[in-house]
Amino acid sequence: DAEITQSPRHKITETGRQVTLACHQTWNHNNMFWYRQDLGHGLRLIHYSYGVQDTNKGEVSDGYSVSRSNTEDLPLTLESAASSQTSVYFCASSEDGQGGPDTQYFGPGTRLTVL
Amino acid sequence: RKEVEQDPGPFNVPEGATVAFNCTYSNSASQSFFWYRQDCRKEPKLLMSVYSSGNEDGRFTAQLNRASQYISLLIRDSKLSDSATYLCVVNPRASGSARQLTFGSGTQLTVLP
Repeated sequence: DAEITQSPRHKITETGRQVTLACHQTWNHNNMFWYRQDLGHGLRLIHYSYGVQDTNKGEVSDGYSVSRSNTEDLPLTLESAASSQTSVYFCASSEDGQGGPDTQYFGPGTRLTVL
Repeated sequence: RKEVEQDPGPFNVPEGATVAFNCTYSNSASQSFFWYRQDCRKEPKLLMSVYSSGNEDGRFTAQLNRASQYISLLIRDSKLSDSATYLCVVNPRASGSARQLTFGSGTQLTVLP
């Protein structure tokens, strides 16, 4: 079955370290998204991609970067981790649909703690 | 003002009750609307899309009022398994592509035995 996976599921790191969170989908979807979820803020968009070599900044992109070298993967990198980046990170993917947007499918999430 | 605002709850209701959630959105050009469900410490999953004419899926009914920029979700005959956080979701862009979704902060529902 097609799916979207994230790794690691849990990560503890120290302030200043570079961290990369992996996202892999097997639906062959063009669109991929990274969100963070914090209490009181809901899901906020970090970066998104509409295809290979395409990346765009979302609402809260400072301190994060992504790259899209193939359809299946959109890794999220925290350049220099900060305590404010402690959060739950969700990756999602979707496919363009005629007549309207299609469902976004979410990965299981990565719980990141920055000490 | 947030783009998508929801009553945060929590709503604590007995089994069998009917409960309604409300949501307002700020962008009048928004084209697509959804309700997602998120269980504790899990990923959000699509519950249902919301159509202009209103739509029903079993015990769940969604309504859209474009003039008031208001979306609602009605759950009838609540089950224990309905306990979750319900996210109001809006696509603020033109239809025809997936593009971005804007998520409300969610309304927490607990159904009590």
